[in-house]
Amino acid sequence: KQEVTQIPAALSVPEGENLVLNCSFTDSAIYNLQWFRQDPGKGLTSLLLIQSSQREQTSGRLNASLDKSSGRSTLYIAASQPGDSATYLCAVANSGYALNFGKGTSLLVTP
Amino acid sequence: GAVVSQHPSRVICKSGTSVKIECRSLDFQATTMFWYRQFPKQSLMLMATSNEGSKATYEQGVEKDKFLINHASLTLSTLTVTSAHPEDSSFYICSARDKGRVIVGTEAFFGQGTRLTVV
Repeated sequence: KQEVTQIPAALSVPEGENLVLNCSFTDSAIYNLQWFRQDPGKGLTSLLLIQSSQREQTSGRLNASLDKSSGRSTLYIAASQPGDSATYLCAVANSGYALNFGKGTSLLVTP
Repeated sequence: GAVVSQHPSRVICKSGTSVKIECRSLDFQATTMFWYRQFPKQSLMLMATSNEGSKATYEQGVEKDKFLINHASLTLSTLTVTSAHPEDSSFYICSARDKGRVIVGTEAFFGQGTRLTVV
C-alpha cells in the first residue's frame, strides 16, 4: 500500500524567504504526482502535476521535482508571500488513478 | 482547466437523517469519480471509486450500505450518507478524471468539498 509522508508538518517563515517542502512515497510505481494547496475549510487547488516520466515542473514561483527511483518529490517556493500561507498537500497516483495523499505541510508566511 | 462542482459546500443535519452530496463535472465527461474524506488534521483518504453505470468500489473499512454512491451519468456522481452520526462529521470531497484524456497520468480535478456536521 502506497504511503506518502510530508516533512515538515508545519513551517513558519518570514516573507521573502525561499523554502522547500518535502514529500516521500514508498511505492515508486506511480503514474504521476501532484502538489495541491488547501486553504482552511476549502477544497483543493492543483498547483503542479508531474508525470512519472518527468523530472520537474515549474509554474511561476513554484518548482516541483520528482525522483521516482528514490521516492521523493520537493516543492520549492521562491520569494514567499503571506498569501502563500496554506496547507500544501502531496499526492501520488498509482494504478486506478486514485490519489494517495500525505498529511500536508502547514505553511505560515509572516509579513 | 476542467471544473468540478460539488454541492452543498456546508451542511448540518440531525443524527439519524440522510444527506446527499452531488459532484458534477461541468465541462468534461468523467468516466470515473473518486470520493475522499478528510478528518481534522488528517490526510484525505479515499472512500470509494465510482464508475459510470456500474457499482462503486469501496475502500476497506468504508461501509457501502452507509455511504451510498450513484454514478448514473458521465457528469454526475452522488454520495449519500445514510443514518448519519456525529462521527460521520467530516470534510467530503470528490474528484473526477476527464474521459477524453485517455493517456495515463492525467490530472485529477477536485470539487470544492462539503463540510458535513452531524448534531
